[in-house]
Amino acid sequence: EAGVAQSPRYKIIEKRQSVAFWCNPISGHATLYWYQQILGQGPKLLIQFQNNGVVDDSQLPKDRFSAERLKGVDSTLKIQPAKLEDSAVYLCASSFGTEFYEQYFGPGTRLTVT
Amino acid sequence: AQKVTQAQTEISVVEKEDVTLDCVYETRDTTYYLFWYKQPPSGELVFLIRRNSFDEQNEISGRYSWNFQKSTSSFNFTITASQVVDSAVYFCALNPQGGSEKLVFGKGTKLTVNP
Repeated sequence: EAGVAQSPRYKIIEKRQSVAFWCNPISGHATLYWYQQILGQGPKLLIQFQNNGVVDDSQLPKDRFSAERLKGVDSTLKIQPAKLEDSAVYLCASSFGTEFYEQYFGPGTRLTVT
Repeated sequence: AQKVTQAQTEISVVEKEDVTLDCVYETRDTTYYLFWYKQPPSGELVFLIRRNSFDEQNEISGRYSWNFQKSTSSFNFTITASQVVDSAVYFCALNPQGGSEKLVFGKGTKLTVNP
């Protein structure tokens, strides 16, 4: 069974530029999550989708971050404009349902903002 | 407030030693789940175990074992006879009740197993 796919794996941009990350969850997984993991810390949830609807985006900095999950499968996370403090690994995860199912994580995208 | 504390930032052991990673959590919910994830240098978080709040039985899986104690709000993880391949960052996480699947992670413990 294929795992969660993410691209790109690495990205370096200058501050004030924009960037987008892509995630393809495990087939059949209805729930998709985007996490931000700053160096030395645990992942922090940015947004959670159930199919193509948003369940939780309370920690998403909406003035610069946006995410969508068209057709309830793939998802993109965008940052515009980027700030230095956005340097982190962005992890995508998916799970089968909404009742305490374990989440499966992708390899992440390491973003460096200079 | 939901919180997970992993007090050990880094641990270094020699191969074949046993090592215990501590995890203390805070939640007011009566129903919740606790998880352990492994993050090797490749960066991908690997699911290790899920335990619900009503099941306090300890669990063993090969060289891995978990000790869940609600009285002390702890969910510790022990690796027996550690191996170099166990080197990674280990995260404890809490999934509190509330309908959302939001995982609250600790800051992780970096384990280095030296040959």
